[in-house]
Amino acid sequence: KNQVEQSPQSLIILEGKNCTLQCNYTVSPFSNLRWYKQDTGRGPVSLTIMTFSENTKSNGRYTATLDADTKQSSLHITASQLSDSASYICVVRRTGANNLFFGTGTRLTVIP
Amino acid sequence: DTGVSQNPRHKITKRGQNVTFRCDPISEHNRLYWYRQTLGQGPEFLTYFQNEAQLEKSRLLSDRFSAERPKGSFSTLEIQRTEQGDSAMYLCASSFMGDHADTQYFGPGTRLTVL
Repeated sequence: KNQVEQSPQSLIILEGKNCTLQCNYTVSPFSNLRWYKQDTGRGPVSLTIMTFSENTKSNGRYTATLDADTKQSSLHITASQLSDSASYICVVRRTGANNLFFGTGTRLTVIP
Repeated sequence: DTGVSQNPRHKITKRGQNVTFRCDPISEHNRLYWYRQTLGQGPEFLTYFQNEAQLEKSRLLSDRFSAERPKGSFSTLEIQRTEQGDSAMYLCASSFMGDHADTQYFGPGTRLTVL
């Protein structure tokens, strides 16, 4: 069964601190993996995309890693800001398919 | 604003009524997707159009649901005889077939509440 699991389910951190979100997937055959940020009441916005051959990719304070062998990805947020408070969703595309497999997301709250 | 737009943003209806949502994709995007998202969950795929052709439908899309994209531009999602379990956020996304990464750009969603 194609699945995407994320942990933790929710996370509260102090402003300025770093955090790491995890994503494990069983989607096969693998095409690519994205991390999306979804603010409350808004649609998801793509942060990073990684293909099979990419191990790490950065977008500002966001750094995503991918281990295609263990089927794990992480999203590291550096020097968190209040505006980082959102749900972060891991999304995996299966080769040859047009639909995406979404994780349930990690709800991040950054407090002053 | 050249992003994906959805209307209405919120809809409250009584059980048994029909509702219709509209999605206007980014103008040059020929792929359009509908997703459903319930509270605390990630979006679930419902259906996908390439131009005006509906190419994929999820098993989640029961016979009470119908989607159209008559001219390959905007799309509508209709739910007939709504049930309380239909309460969710309905998200639309679009992408450009020439984008090898097929980045999907999401609209703000329509939140449906069935009383």
